[in-house]
Amino acid sequence: GAVVSQHPSWVICKSGTSVKIECRSLDFQATTMFWYRQFPKQSLMLMATSNEGSKATYEQGVEKDKFLINHASLTLSTLTVTSAHPEDSSFYICSAGMDRPLNTEAFFGQGTRLTVV
Amino acid sequence: GENVEQHPSTLSVQEGDSAVIKCTYSDSASNYFPWYKQELGKRPQLIIDIRSNVGEKKDQRIAVTLNKTAKHFSLHITETQPEDSAVYFCAATRANFGNEKLTFGTGTRLTIIP
Repeated sequence: GAVVSQHPSWVICKSGTSVKIECRSLDFQATTMFWYRQFPKQSLMLMATSNEGSKATYEQGVEKDKFLINHASLTLSTLTVTSAHPEDSSFYICSAGMDRPLNTEAFFGQGTRLTVV
Repeated sequence: GENVEQHPSTLSVQEGDSAVIKCTYSDSASNYFPWYKQELGKRPQLIIDIRSNVGEKKDQRIAVTLNKTAKHFSLHITETQPEDSAVYFCAATRANFGNEKLTFGTGTRLTIIP
């Protein structure tokens, strides 16, 4: 299957600082990538849809100025958590799919565990 | 938008027995239903999926059934083994390409008792 790589796999940052997470599709192009957040013992909640060359689409309740998304190429999307606070500590996962008819499988990155202290 | 409900939230079964996890969805236009297995701290792994034009799909010990009329689908694991212990998520989407967002169920923590 296709490979999506996410970096870093874990990060610890101080409250008030910013953290950037990268999501790369290694062997296919993805015009759309998705960012999910998963709190302990909870499900994956979609935060935003990242669109190559245009603005991201955020889900209701997700602050676009706090979670900055950039999708500058067909293989890279980045999520920047700005002015991070302890309540932002979570597991962040990206996913991407191939832009082909009937090829509906979503490929997930390995996730980034963010801890804000 | 789509809403997916999943039951039970926890499930314990004896090794060798079967496990069944059920999900319901709300959007009648959803046409793709994947199931994921997630181990602690890892990415979700696709274990089986089904499209709306199929009622049942099987892959060795794992099967999924879909009832479009009732808008529910189920995961069946037979001859369970300790390595089946994990959290399982169902999901639904209206997707013809691999670039549609998934709506996940709330998850089921499956524990296989040796």
